[in-house]
Amino acid sequence: SQQGEEDPQALSIQEGENATMNCSYKTSINNLQWYRQNSGRGLVHLILIRSNEREKHSGRLRVTLDTSKKSSSLLITASRAADTASYFCATGRGSNYKLTFGKGTLLTVNP
Amino acid sequence: DAGVIQSPRHEVTEMGQEVTLRCKPISGHDYLFWYRQTMMRGLELLIYFNNNVPIDDSGMPEDRFSAKMPNASFSTLKIQPSEPRDSAVYFCASRTRQGNTGELFFGEGSRLTVL
Repeated sequence: SQQGEEDPQALSIQEGENATMNCSYKTSINNLQWYRQNSGRGLVHLILIRSNEREKHSGRLRVTLDTSKKSSSLLITASRAADTASYFCATGRGSNYKLTFGKGTLLTVNP
Repeated sequence: DAGVIQSPRHEVTEMGQEVTLRCKPISGHDYLFWYRQTMMRGLELLIYFNNNVPIDDSGMPEDRFSAKMPNASFSTLKIQPSEPRDSAVYFCASRTRQGNTGELFFGEGSRLTVL
């Protein structure tokens, strides 16, 4: 079953604007990861946040995690046309190594 | 270093034919995963291996699907016989246990079309 659900399903913005994507999940997790997928390509890992962390930064990316609400957000600041892609959250839990992915947010950044 | 390598990138076949997808994980990675991606169902984990041993195949949809990992550098996903509903992009991913970062490294995928 799908663990993470991204919101919105699609987002269209202008270059230079910020993009915010949200992810909700249902059960307790060890960590939450965000991945990017360009059209026709494989997924690429962006950032991981552990369940005991609340916020993490990596370049223009900012991820927050609220375990009480079982939700996470990914903020991309000063977006570029090259950021156009689908973004997925993935959750890991327990001692196993299975990651469960949501269906993704399709981000379009218009030049 | 080379990433995860999958072949073929594209496969078009007719219903009833056998399909074999191949994957070479990143050297030194001891976990290998097979995922399937469709518009309707998103990314689904089919099976994963640790040190060449299948650990969880609960995502394999039917007996028509089988996966093997004969050695640390090669895995196959086989569908026999194939059906139109098997049309999807199949991804292989690998990771290491070291550091327990959880990051998966994906291949570029094999797009399967069953007519």
